[in-house]
Amino acid sequence: RKEVEQDPGPFNVPEGATVAFNCTYSNSASQSFFWYRQDCRKEPKLLMSVYSSGNEDGRFTAQLNRASQYISLLIRDSKLSDSATYLCVVRPLSGGYNKLIFGAGTRLAVHP
Amino acid sequence: DAMVIQNPRYQVTQFGKPVTLSCSQTLNHNVMYWYQQKSSQAPKLLFHYYDKDFNNEADTPDNFQSRRPNTSFCFLDIRSPGLGDAAMYLCATSSARAVNQPQHFGDGTRLSIL
Repeated sequence: RKEVEQDPGPFNVPEGATVAFNCTYSNSASQSFFWYRQDCRKEPKLLMSVYSSGNEDGRFTAQLNRASQYISLLIRDSKLSDSATYLCVVRPLSGGYNKLIFGAGTRLAVHP
Repeated sequence: DAMVIQNPRYQVTQFGKPVTLSCSQTLNHNVMYWYQQKSSQAPKLLFHYYDKDFNNEADTPDNFQSRRPNTSFCFLDIRSPGLGDAAMYLCATSSARAVNQPQHFGDGTRLSIL
């Protein structure tokens, strides 16, 4: 079983749609969680951290369910510029300082 | 201004010919990482430096080596590149002075093997 699992997609949605991505992680002792965005042939960029109480940044909302080892990302009012791959990222408790485990990503394509 | 800089952006080398990729940072972060990412796959951590301490991942091939001469620079050496080493190589940094810090990535070097 992979340490971080995501639905690869692609999710094809029209502009203005709401779309949700899910992610599960296997290490129950994991302590930090992030969503990164990666454009085609570019580097990953931090989108947002994920906090236990859930957090929102504009059109983006992240949720964490530690009991189910599940993370989600909700994008409201999708824009063409949201088209990218979204990487779920987990920091395990052990395994090197600030080591991060990346999921393979979920592709989002927003069309007019 | 770019804070994690990788050179070159694109590198072509011949099968078996050693190649070095470079990374520099202006963030003064004490942790630097090298990842390998192949198409449609997650970035795979090869190794990281915590200050001068080198930490190799268990499944990183011996073909991959790294050097960190100072805080700002880190190099990835591939001693004898094979066709399977063609990938995007990503350098990242983070601060170990506070917990739960994200990593900051450079633009990556795309390596092709002829």
